[in-house]
Amino acid sequence: DGGITQSPKYLFRKEGQNVTLSCEQNLNHDAMYWYRQDPGQGLRLIYYSQIVNDFQKGDIAEGYSVSREKKESFPLTVTSAQKNPTAFYLCASRADYNSPLHFGNGTRLTVT
Amino acid sequence: RKEVEQDPGPFNVPEGATVAFNCTYSNSASQSFFWYRQDCRKEPKLLMSVYSSGNEDGRFTAQLNRASQYISLLIRDSKLSDSATYLCVVKWGSWGKLQFGAGTQVVVTP
Repeated sequence: DGGITQSPKYLFRKEGQNVTLSCEQNLNHDAMYWYRQDPGQGLRLIYYSQIVNDFQKGDIAEGYSVSREKKESFPLTVTSAQKNPTAFYLCASRADYNSPLHFGNGTRLTVT
Repeated sequence: RKEVEQDPGPFNVPEGATVAFNCTYSNSASQSFFWYRQDCRKEPKLLMSVYSSGNEDGRFTAQLNRASQYISLLIRDSKLSDSATYLCVVKWGSWGKLQFGAGTQVVVTP
């Protein structure tokens, strides 16, 4: 079955360490997205990529970086510059501009 | 003012009852609208798109009011399994930017 796989499901890191969250999709979607969800808030867009080798900053890109070397993969690195990294991170993709998003099952990151 | 606003709830609903709630949006150029369902600590899943004339999917009915800039979701004959947070999503812009509401929590009780 096609879908989006995020790993790991839970991630614990010490403050000051960079950490990379994995996102792989086999839906053949061009566009991929990273969102962050905090309690009581809507999803906020971190980065998005509409095509391989291209990506754009979203609304809250500071402290994050991404790459898009393959269509299937869109990893997110949470750097030590991100002031409040503890959150639920969701990767998503969609077939085209008019299609709804499909989400991965998320990574819950805790930084202490 | 937030671009997409929802009543956070919770809406406590007896099993079998009807519940309805709205989502207001500020951008009059909004193009498409969706309702997603999110269970506790899980990813959001598409419940239904919202069409201009309104649409129904089983016990769920979605409406769009462009003049007043809101969409609504109505759940009939509520089931315990309908307990979740319902996210409103609005699309606008040249690349289809999606804006999420913070969600409305629905709790269906026996």
